[in-house]
Formats: sequence, structure tokens, C-alpha cells
Amino acid sequence: DQQVKQNSPSLSVQEGRISILNCDYTNSMFDYFLWYKKYPAEGPTFLISISSIKDKNEDGRFTVFLNKSAKHLSLHIVPSQPGDSAVYFCAASNRGGSTLGRLYFGRGTQLTVWP
Amino acid sequence: DSGVTQTPKHLITATGQRVTLRCSPRSGDLSVYWYQQSLDQGLQFLIQYYNGEERAKGNILERFSAQQFPDLHSELNLSSLELGDSALYFCASSVGDRAGEQYFGPGTRLTVT
Repeated sequence: DQQVKQNSPSLSVQEGRISILNCDYTNSMFDYFLWYKKYPAEGPTFLISISSIKDKNEDGRFTVFLNKSAKHLSLHIVPSQPGDSAVYFCAASNRGGSTLGRLYFGRGTQLTVWP
Repeated sequence: DSGVTQTPKHLITATGQRVTLRCSPRSGDLSVYWYQQSLDQGLQFLIQYYNGEERAKGNILERFSAQQFPDLHSELNLSSLELGDSALYFCASSVGDRAGEQYFGPGTRLTVT
């Protein structure tokens, strides 16, 4: 049962443009969301997070938006750079629940930024 | 470099065998998590330990077990291996026991032949 879904397996964007990666979730108990980036032959690297009490969090070129009513979050990268080419994973958790530290991951979106 | 180390990087073994994967968390982190990533699945949570105690359990098979030692390193034991156990196994660590930023190791690639 996939509780976090990334419906686009891939996204291709020109350098300098905006990349928008989307993520949907089904569990209304999720209260904390994260994005990870993964290069080949490496482990996932934490990128940015957002608590359910916020609807936006920004860190440099990366902004995450959360729409709780739609159970949807998105990651915006502006401007996109070739070094951003990687697989991006969306993850969610229920910090206040019995699942404690467990993260639920989507299957990832391969972002390719071309010059 | 996340500060999380995993050994070995690669492991090739035969069906029916048993292997042990090792993880050392970042300095100061008390929680260790194990995840499995196979080709047709995303990252699947297996189990979490916090300061030596099991805290949360995911879809971990009975053939698999884990523990966290007093020095906080952790081991994941996989026994009676099957072809379908071939996957990347990641360890992650965090300071607390509630979900937050987790820092991942480079993974161990297990191939069962």
C-alpha cells in the first residue's frame, strides 16, 4: 500500500528554468514531510522539510509547498542547474504517532537538467 | 559525506545463506534505521532502533533481524536468503526517535544468486 506517491517517474528541464516535482499522500495523519535527493551509487541526501503547520518552506533555490486539503506537496527548484540532475524522493511521517521515526517514501522522480 | 558508514559496499551470496550488514551512525545520533530498496519498489522501511532498543517496525521479514549495540552501531542479519532479497540496503541515523531529518549511508548492495 503506497501511502506516498510520485506519479511522474521522470522530468526533464532546461538549465535556468524552474523544476517542479510533485508528491501526493493518502494518510491524513502524516504531519511532517521531507525531500531527499539521490545520486547514483550514493545514499539519499536530505534536502528540505516541512511541518504540517506550515504551507511553505524555503531554502535557497529550493522551496517546498504543502497543500493539506489536497494531500499534495511540491518541490520547486529555481533556477535549475545541471548538478540538480538526480532522483528526488518525497517522504512523509507521523511524528506524533506510533510509527515514530518511520519515513514513508515515494518511488522517486528522475530529474534531468539539460544545458 | 553524511557521516553514516556501511559495510560491506557489495555482497554476493547464494540462496539459503546468511549475511550480516553493518552500520555506524553519525556521531551523536541515537537512532538507526534500516531501509530496503529493490528495483520495483521504493525505499521500504524495515526497522528502527533508538539507543539500543527497537522502536518501530516496518515490513521486515521474519528471516531478517537487527540489533543496535551499546556503541550504537547496528547490524542487520538476513538469513535463508532468497533471490528476491537482492536489493540495496540503506542505513540511516538521526538524533532523536521521532521522524525528522535522517542521514543515510551509501548502502550495501546485496546480490543473491
